Amino acid sequence: EVQLVQSGAEVKKPGESLKISCKASGYGFNRFTTYWIGWVRQMPGKGLEWMGIISPTDSDIRYSPSFQGQVTISGDKTITTAYLQWSSLKASDTAIYYCARPMMLRGGITTIDFWGHGTLVTVSS
Amino acid sequence: QSALTQPPSASGSPGQSVTISCTGTSSDVGGYNYVSWYQQYPGEAPKLMIYEVSKRPSGVPDRFSGSKSGNTASLTVSGLQAEDEADYYCSSYGGSNDLGVFGGGTKLTVL
Repeated sequence: EVQLVQSGAEVKKPGESLKISCKASGYGFNRFTTYWIGWVRQMPGKGLEWMGIISPTDSDIRYSPSFQGQVTISGDKTITTAYLQWSSLKASDTAIYYCARPMMLRGGITTIDFWGHGTLVTVSS
Repeated sequence: QSALTQPPSASGSPGQSVTISCTGTSSDVGGYNYVSWYQQYPGEAPKLMIYEVSKRPSGVPDRFSGSKSGNTASLTVSGLQAEDEADYYCSSYGGSNDLGVFGGGTKLTVL
């Protein structure tokens, strides 16, 4: 069974750093597979936004223009885990962050067939 | 890339049919047959209900169906049940090396 297990909820202060994780199981997330992992933001009461995706080989990371330079996506092939990182959080980063497994076609995303349960990040002074 | 346009709300009585629209452009919805629909209950992660315009993943009731005409895709829920009350989001493929785009979401209320 495919599962994307995310790290727990976080409460941080503005200016602090944070790294959340998403561990894939039930399939391989390594250089022998072709499944990417992506991150989707959902701000309170709002819709879904793609943040970026990382390839199984970790050699290709793509960001949505809105998030380029704002976050860092990385992956650990050994333990099949993807990460989303902030160096300096802002109150506007308060949201639920979902990891997701996108299906790809010529480098573009066609659909998401599996979702993590979400990580709530609260940034408040 | 702009978000796809969905009505903010839709409603219907149990047993009725409801259709939710998702309007894009010829660069996304109209250009490819890769429209997906997701169901999201409050406090839960989204769940894939329809992919490639009209295909249902295993386990999704056949009361859910999808279609597309031009730049507008639609999700129809037939025989509405109380459990169908949720938010629904569409998304579309936007071409090579494109992350794609989501709709703004539609809150479906079962009266």
